[in-house]
Amino acid sequence: GAVVSQHPSWVICKSGTSVKIECRSLDFQATTMFWYRQFPKQSLMLMATSNEGSKATYEQGVEKDKFLINHASLTLSTLTVTSAHPEDSSFYICSARGGTGANTIYFGEGSWLTVV
Amino acid sequence: DAKTTQPTSMDCAEGRAANLPCNHSTISGNEYVYWYRQIHSQGPQYIIHGLKNNETNEMASLIITEDRKSSTLILPHATLRDTAVYYCIVSPTGTASKLTFGTGTRLQVTL
Repeated sequence: GAVVSQHPSWVICKSGTSVKIECRSLDFQATTMFWYRQFPKQSLMLMATSNEGSKATYEQGVEKDKFLINHASLTLSTLTVTSAHPEDSSFYICSARGGTGANTIYFGEGSWLTVV
Repeated sequence: DAKTTQPTSMDCAEGRAANLPCNHSTISGNEYVYWYRQIHSQGPQYIIHGLKNNETNEMASLIITEDRKSSTLILPHATLRDTAVYYCIVSPTGTASKLTFGTGTRLQVTL
């Protein structure tokens, strides 16, 4: 299947700083990528849909100024958590639909963020 | 997107078939049934998907009822490595179509 890769796998940052997470589609082009957040023992919650060359679409209740999404190319989307606080500590996961018109969405390995 | 209902948890003996049910009674005609699983601390792994016909791949089989209101994921010979949370999701196709996760079924495979 198609491969989606995230970097970093885990990151620790100080409260008040910003941290960037990258999501790459390695063997296909993705005009649309999706960002999820998952807290311990909970299901995945969709945060936003990242669209190549245009603004991201955020789900209700997700602060667009806090979670900045940039999808500058067909293989890369980035999520920047700005002014991070301990409550932003979570597992962040991206996904992308595999290939043009493909019916399958593939997920990255996830990125653990710990804000101290 | 249509909602799905899955049992919270299931147990299965290693080597036996694991049958995971999913109800999606409000599924629309253009919505596919997708199955993913998530092993602890990893991103979800795609398993299989289907529209109305039964599907089989190297990982599992997907049985969809004729009225499409429910489906069953079958792992023919469960192993300990199949212990995970299994998610049944219905979603239309299309580049921007998103997957909305429910709570899934926690499958525990035991010796």
